[in-house]
This record gives sequence, structure tokens and C-alpha cells, in this order.
Amino acid sequence: DGGITQSPKYLFRKEGQNVTLSCEQNLNHDAMYWYRQDPGQGLRLIYYSQIVNDFQKGDIAEGYSVSREKKESFPLTVTSAQKNPTAFYLCASSTTRVRDRGYNDYGYTFGSGTRLTVV
Amino acid sequence: QQPVQSPQAVILREGEDAVINCSSSKALYSVHWYRQKHGEAPVFLMILLKGGEQKGHDKISASFNEKKQQSSLYLTASQLSYSGTYFCGTVTGTASKLTFGTGTRLQVTL
Repeated sequence: DGGITQSPKYLFRKEGQNVTLSCEQNLNHDAMYWYRQDPGQGLRLIYYSQIVNDFQKGDIAEGYSVSREKKESFPLTVTSAQKNPTAFYLCASSTTRVRDRGYNDYGYTFGSGTRLTVV
Repeated sequence: QQPVQSPQAVILREGEDAVINCSSSKALYSVHWYRQKHGEAPVFLMILLKGGEQKGHDKISASFNEKKQQSSLYLTASQLSYSGTYFCGTVTGTASKLTFGTGTRLQVTL
């Protein structure tokens, strides 16, 4: 079955260390996204990519970096410049296809998330 | 800006109905609705496109008022399985990126 795999599920890092979160999808989706979720809050967009080798900053990109070298993969690096990195990180993907009537009404598919704790 | 959802939280008895609202300050291209259970990934419920359509499946439906830049999610005859946090996500431009609301926590009790 197709889906999105995020690994690891839990990650602990010391303050000042960079850490990379993995996101792989086998849905053949063009677009991929990274969101951050803090307790009791909504999802905030970090970065997104609509095509290989291209990505755009979201609303809270400072302290994060991404790459999109393959369609299936969109890893997120949380750098030491991110002031408050402890959070639940969600990766998502979507198709950019449009239906015959000229619109895209496909939803996002989310991975199961990585809970990052920086100590 | 983030769309605003109301109410922030609601507790229902099984079988009761609920309405969750999502309001944006920007013109909307489409609105998505997702449900997230604690510690899990959000799950896609439905999408509404501009044109003022209404959609639904099973006992969950939604409407989209393009002129008011608002969407509402209707849950009828709620079941225990409906418990979770509901998020609306809005698309305001040609890029497919979603901006999510702050969420509405819904708890269904016996």
C-alpha cells in the first residue's frame, strides 16, 4: 500500500546539534510539505516543494533547511539556529494533478510524525 | 494569516450534532477539513472548492461560502469515533500549500 513514512518516531538531541528528519513517500505525489505542531496548536508550514530540486519557505522556515533531490524524499534538517526545536513534525504530500473539469480536489496525505525533543 | 476556527472546544453526548466554523481574512480558493486523533497524523475528510458548494459523506458534511470566506463542518448524530481535533486548511493562491486553523477539539461522550 502507498503512503508516507517518517522516521524516526521519537528523536532526542542535545541542544546545539543539527538533526535530520526523514520523509519518504511512494504515492507518486509531486508536492511535499513539512509542518510543525506544538501542543494545543495548529500546524504551521515550514517548507514545501512542488517539484524536484525546487522548494519554498513556509511561514516559519528560520532555523530549518530542506532538500528535494528525489521525488520520493523530502528530508528536513533542524539546525542549531532553531531557537525552540522541540515539537511534533509532520510531513505531508499531495498530487498536483487536476481533474477533467480543471481543478485539484485532492487532499493531503500525512506521515505519522516525528516527535523531536531537544535537551 | 491563520484561519480562525470556532468553537475552540466542544463536548457532545453521543447522537448530538455539532458545527465547527472556519473563517479567513483572505479570499479562498479552497478549504480542506482534517481530523486528528491524539498523537496521530491528521486524516483528510473533504475539500470544498470556491463556488459555494456543499459536500458530505456519512454523517459529516461541510459548506463553503466564498463571499464570506467561511466554511462550516457539520457533524450529525455524533459517534464516539468522531472525537479528535478538527482542523480547517485554506488555500489562498495557485500554490497548493495549506494554511491550517488553530483547531477545534471535539469530545463525544456516552
